[in-house]
Amino acid sequence: DAGITQSPRHKVTETGTPVTLRCHQTENHRYMYWYRQDPGHGLRLIHYSYGVKDTDKGEVSDGYSVSRSKTEDFLLTLESATSSQTSVYFCAIRKDSQNTGELFFGEGSRLTVL
Amino acid sequence: EDKVVQSPLSLVVHEGDTVTLNCSYEVTNFRSLLWYKQEKKAPTFLFMLTSSGIEKKSGRLSSILDKKELFSILNITATQTGDSAIYLCAVSGTASKLTFGTGTRLQVTL
Repeated sequence: DAGITQSPRHKVTETGTPVTLRCHQTENHRYMYWYRQDPGHGLRLIHYSYGVKDTDKGEVSDGYSVSRSKTEDFLLTLESATSSQTSVYFCAIRKDSQNTGELFFGEGSRLTVL
Repeated sequence: EDKVVQSPLSLVVHEGDTVTLNCSYEVTNFRSLLWYKQEKKAPTFLFMLTSSGIEKKSGRLSSILDKKELFSILNITATQTGDSAIYLCAVSGTASKLTFGTGTRLQVTL
């Protein structure tokens, strides 16, 4: 257990509304990631962070922003949600003691945009 | 851009069968290849491979990596219904990112 909590776990919202998903870790590791998972696409990286205020884009970053003001929290924001952003969102961390790429995942947040 | 391709996309077998799942990849500055199992929730780690030819084993599951031909296989022997899941292959390249394949959905029937 890597001590990762995602909130909310389920959310239904309407097109055009802002949405923020939160990822919280208890172990203060540097690297945190947001992925989305969709049928036929697997897990795709949205954004990642390598420290407080240090973030970078992944392969599907359009329409998303992130913030990391504290080591333990990594927020994913959809400024104006669209139906194409209906997905399951997973937060993940990489433990500082490991440099081989293994990630530990949260339980996921299911977002439905109507 | 890093790329991972898994095959088959889905597979239905009978309990007791042996299955082989395939993963091919293209990655800049290869560091490792990882296999994950995903049931209803979060992916859980199975294996990490960094060197060619060294088989990793855990019970009925085993995996091997070929860095020359850029692929890996995951074998499951004597399958059980509890093996039903999506199996994800991922590669780690630069910048501490994992690139995932689309996964293989395995269903084991009685």
